[in-house]
Amino acid sequence: AQTVTQSQPEMSVQEAETVTLSCTYDTSESDYYLFWYKQPPSRQMILVIRQEAYKQQNATENRFSVNFQKAAKSFSLKISDSQLGDAAMYFCATMNRDDKIIFGKGTRLHILP
Amino acid sequence: DTGVSQDPRHKITKRGQNVTFRCDPISEHNRLYWYRQTLGQGPEFLTYFQNEAQLEKSRLLSDRFSAERPKGSFSTLEIQRTEQGDSAMYLCASSFLSHGGYTFGSGTRLTVV
Repeated sequence: AQTVTQSQPEMSVQEAETVTLSCTYDTSESDYYLFWYKQPPSRQMILVIRQEAYKQQNATENRFSVNFQKAAKSFSLKISDSQLGDAAMYFCATMNRDDKIIFGKGTRLHILP
Repeated sequence: DTGVSQDPRHKITKRGQNVTFRCDPISEHNRLYWYRQTLGQGPEFLTYFQNEAQLEKSRLLSDRFSAERPKGSFSTLEIQRTEQGDSAMYLCASSFLSHGGYTFGSGTRLTVV
């Protein structure tokens, strides 16, 4: 069974600074996908970034990047130049070949002006 | 295409009543997923369809829950004899190739009083 653990229920970062959200996961498969989703208050889930487990290169999307450590089963999200609009719940998630995404409990990110 | 649509956005019902939610996926997406999200938690998988076939149901989906996707287009999720524990946000998502991640709707918030 897949499990996803986000050990930081809440985090705060000063506007324009960099913040890293942690995530560890467990899966018995060698081929899987990893995601970070963002859920702003009262708004829908948005895909931030995805990573294929077979790729060693860390994914990057503009100010968002990941640090994927496959052996450690770690998948952290780094947000650079934090903006007020980045305030949201962030969910780490995995998907095996069964095409089912399993989410962690989330990290609430506060941006301090 | 306006994305994944869910109706209604909010539903308040009395305990014991039946409720039905509707999800309209992105038209070219063949996969459709239902998740449940309680306050402060990550989304939990309920069930998913590929075209009109329901491929998996979670143990969370008791006999009071039923989902359909006639003709492989929109989907409905019905909860019979609602209980207070059913109060949650019900999220629908769709995808064409699931490893690309899902597109989520805005959800239906159910309150059972």
